[in-house]
Amino acid sequence: QSALTQPASVSGSPGQSITISCTGTSSDVGGYHYVSWYQQHPGKAPKLMIYEVTNRPSGVSNRFSGSKSGNTASLTISGLQAEDEADYYCSSYAGDSTPVVFGGGTKLTVL
Amino acid sequence: QITLKESGPTLVKPTQTLTLTCTFSGFSLSTRGVGVGWIRQPPGKALEWLALLYWDDDKGYSPSLKSRLTITKDTSKSQVVLTMTNMDPVDTATYYCARNWGLGNFDSWGQGSLVTVSS
Repeated sequence: QSALTQPASVSGSPGQSITISCTGTSSDVGGYHYVSWYQQHPGKAPKLMIYEVTNRPSGVSNRFSGSKSGNTASLTISGLQAEDEADYYCSSYAGDSTPVVFGGGTKLTVL
Repeated sequence: QITLKESGPTLVKPTQTLTLTCTFSGFSLSTRGVGVGWIRQPPGKALEWLALLYWDDDKGYSPSLKSRLTITKDTSKSQVVLTMTNMDPVDTATYYCARNWGLGNFDSWGQGSLVTVSS
């Protein structure tokens, strides 16, 4: 099972919106409604930001939203803030034999 | 409050077997839909899922590492143990355990445990 494909880096200015893509196949992202997004600050453990494509856990800002079209999922962050600067990882369910596959990660820089 | 904490050696020699323990609290691994997974992250690199153990004792392993991994649980101690055989320097990474619910949602993570493989 190959890793999901994410852009290595994205950037934006405070207040702007950015979108991070996560491309898989019909065997993972495209085949299930189970895509998650994680935020990881340097030296910290990842934090779940989006689950099941569009849902936000309690306590996560509504500036974070998720969507999916075909084999590509997306994370959008609106009203960028300095604290959003971090690495972001997507993951997807990929069937009973491979329940989890991660993306390669995207470094978000807030200019 | 849900907490997870990884414990184990910080240094292992090549060819040795690594044993990591995840001790958790605030949830039960007997609850339907709940699981505990292991994820690793080499320095400066991406997350890589390793293994997942479900409430019903079903297990899943990364296809590329399946032959080297074993995941078990001790429900009475609220622990999940991961063993990885034949360690190599490329296995140097921070190893995380995390609570899973549903299909692939890791909603609580341990702080991580850095394991270095070197002779």
